[in-house]
Amino acid sequence: DAKTTQPPSMDCAEGRAANLPCNHSTISGNEYVYWYRQIHSQGPQYIIHGLKNNETNEMASLIITEDRKSSTLILPHATLRDTAVYYCIVRAKGGSNYKLTFGKGTLLTVNP
Amino acid sequence: SAVISQKPSRDICQRGTSLTIQCQVDSQVTMMFWYRQQPGQSLTLIATANQGSEATYESGFVIDKFPISRPNLTFSTLTVSNLSPEDSSIYLCSGTGTGQSQETQYFGPGTRLLVL
Repeated sequence: DAKTTQPPSMDCAEGRAANLPCNHSTISGNEYVYWYRQIHSQGPQYIIHGLKNNETNEMASLIITEDRKSSTLILPHATLRDTAVYYCIVRAKGGSNYKLTFGKGTLLTVNP
Repeated sequence: SAVISQKPSRDICQRGTSLTIQCQVDSQVTMMFWYRQQPGQSLTLIATANQGSEATYESGFVIDKFPISRPNLTFSTLTVSNLSPEDSSIYLCSGTGTGQSQETQYFGPGTRLLVL
């Protein structure tokens, strides 16, 4: 699976949009981009994933660049409860191996 | 999405003993995994739990230390054997969905283990 690079930490004001970047310059055509988050003392929570088109769900939006070498997770109106470590993970689509390789992630701190 | 529970949620154990962690999923999942999260670190995959057969271990993890069972599609156990303080970690299980949801992995709340 391709390697990802994320900033170690970011701050965001409550109510503002949080934009979390991820670089995955070696991504191949059959690899998805996944985002998970881990709130302190909890198990990771699935947020969203995409292949090449932008995706939106009730939690967030995922913007993938046209060359697929980077992506941005957008939390449109961050709240204090969004403070967590956010993991960007690249994984091959389908096949028999669904395991995830976690990097260090980005610690997002939402400030009042 | 699958709802995953783990028991116990936390435990304190003496060195040399073993702890067995149970993972229960509320619906059938295709694959189940066990991860370890050491203090201040990210998650590391221990093994894939295979139904009715031996688990598939990642490099650095062995069956004698981390025996795993998965007797059916909704239940798995991880035993951490011959405990030492270095085994103090959070242990998490996860499962992928079925059909269209196979691409998504859901996690349990984790089991916090402290070895004295």
